[in-house]
Amino acid sequence: DTEVTQTPKHLVMGMTNKKSLKCEQHMGHRAMYWYKQKAKKPPELMFVYSYEKLSINESVPSRFSPECPNSSLLNLHLHALQPEDSALYLCASSQPRDLLLTDTQYFGPGTRLTVL
Amino acid sequence: GENVEQHPSTLSVQEGDSAVIKCTYSDSASNYFPWYKQELGKGPQLIIDIRSNVGEKKDQRIAVTLNKTAKHFSLHITETQPEDSAVYFCAATKTGNQFYFGTGTSLTVIP
Repeated sequence: DTEVTQTPKHLVMGMTNKKSLKCEQHMGHRAMYWYKQKAKKPPELMFVYSYEKLSINESVPSRFSPECPNSSLLNLHLHALQPEDSALYLCASSQPRDLLLTDTQYFGPGTRLTVL
Repeated sequence: GENVEQHPSTLSVQEGDSAVIKCTYSDSASNYFPWYKQELGKGPQLIIDIRSNVGEKKDQRIAVTLNKTAKHFSLHITETQPEDSAVYFCAATKTGNQFYFGTGTSLTVIP
């Protein structure tokens, strides 16, 4: 089973709202990722967690706050977003080899976020 | 860092014909090259991948070739079907590094 699940599927929020995106995998992977994808563009890496520790933060604004409560779960907390943050947010996971993030990444279906 | 170029950006083929998508990369140390298919409203799905110690890999109608000397790799889809219509992304990475994606190819298979 190579399934990554994400909730919610769609989210509409105002610029003053606080919301969270959730991601879950049960493949025993120890690396999890958040990507942002705009229409007709490739995914852009936001954050990487390896063994539940934040290992990569691609200079993402502080209005995006990731959290990895355990090895199966990944959250992305959203606060005071801007309309330009509207995008598809993708979660992925992989099994790092000896802490090296090089193995196959499996993506979830994404959360379609609209910021009004 | 790594730079991945992908061509063409759009591709239309008749059902039953073959489709070829090409990617080039800049970092000779890159050693893993996955291909993802993304249908409208869905997340990217891994369809095939190749590592630098292999020159070619095939899975039914899909094949990937890698030329390390020229630093390019290609996706080949034979006997295309309407359900192959999607956006395809290539990526390149090396041990300990993040994925670098190509810009995507929108494939349309005309029935």
